[in-house]
Amino acid sequence: QLRLQESGPGLVKPSETLSLTCSVSGGSLNSNSTHTYYWGWIRQPPGKGLEWIGPFSYSGNTYFNPSFKSRVTTSIDASKSQFSLRLRSVTAADTAVYYCARTLLYFGQFTLDSWGQGALVTVSS
Amino acid sequence: QSVLTQPPSASEIPGQRVSISCSGGASNIGSNPVNWFQQLPGAAPKLLIYSNNQRPSGVLDRFSGSKSGTSASLAFSGLQSEDEADYYCAAWDDSLNGWVFGGGTKLTVL
Repeated sequence: QLRLQESGPGLVKPSETLSLTCSVSGGSLNSNSTHTYYWGWIRQPPGKGLEWIGPFSYSGNTYFNPSFKSRVTTSIDASKSQFSLRLRSVTAADTAVYYCARTLLYFGQFTLDSWGQGALVTVSS
Repeated sequence: QSVLTQPPSASEIPGQRVSISCSGGASNIGSNPVNWFQQLPGAAPKLLIYSNNQRPSGVLDRFSGSKSGTSASLAFSGLQSEDEADYYCAAWDDSLNGWVFGGGTKLTVL
């Protein structure tokens, strides 16, 4: 059973950098011949809906939600079964539950098939 | 403002049938299959429907999905109190190269 678990500080000061790590257990980060996996982040401000952050890497290009593009960095460490998110210059508007999630691409169809439990990050001084 | 449009709320009495709509555009629902998620209070979203109408293992057949053109629908048959939750539709967007979501529908079982 695949399990994703977010970890990181729950409180970040305005203008600083939000950093989260997602640890994956019960499965590999690597894709196989039929199933391609993309590991990324989605957030949900309190009382609001879901917002995709990214990334999606394809043909040498990496895509993020344009709303975050200039502030976000992600990385993946397959040897540790972890991937990470860094969001710079945060404001109170970045207060949200941050989910790590897996996107499956199978026969040309995308499915968001696995989610972490979420980590609440509050931006406040 | 969400890219996909859902009604903010829906309600019905137990045992009845209810459906939730999701409207998008050519680059998302018009080009890619729809996922539906159930989010119980305080919990992470859970995949309910993928590829427009497929249920993951363990999801009851009371839940069904459909798609036509740039719109999709999630239907519940035999509504139960435990179905009370927020429901989100999502689709891959070929212009964004990422996921777009509906704003969510809060389902109340009266």
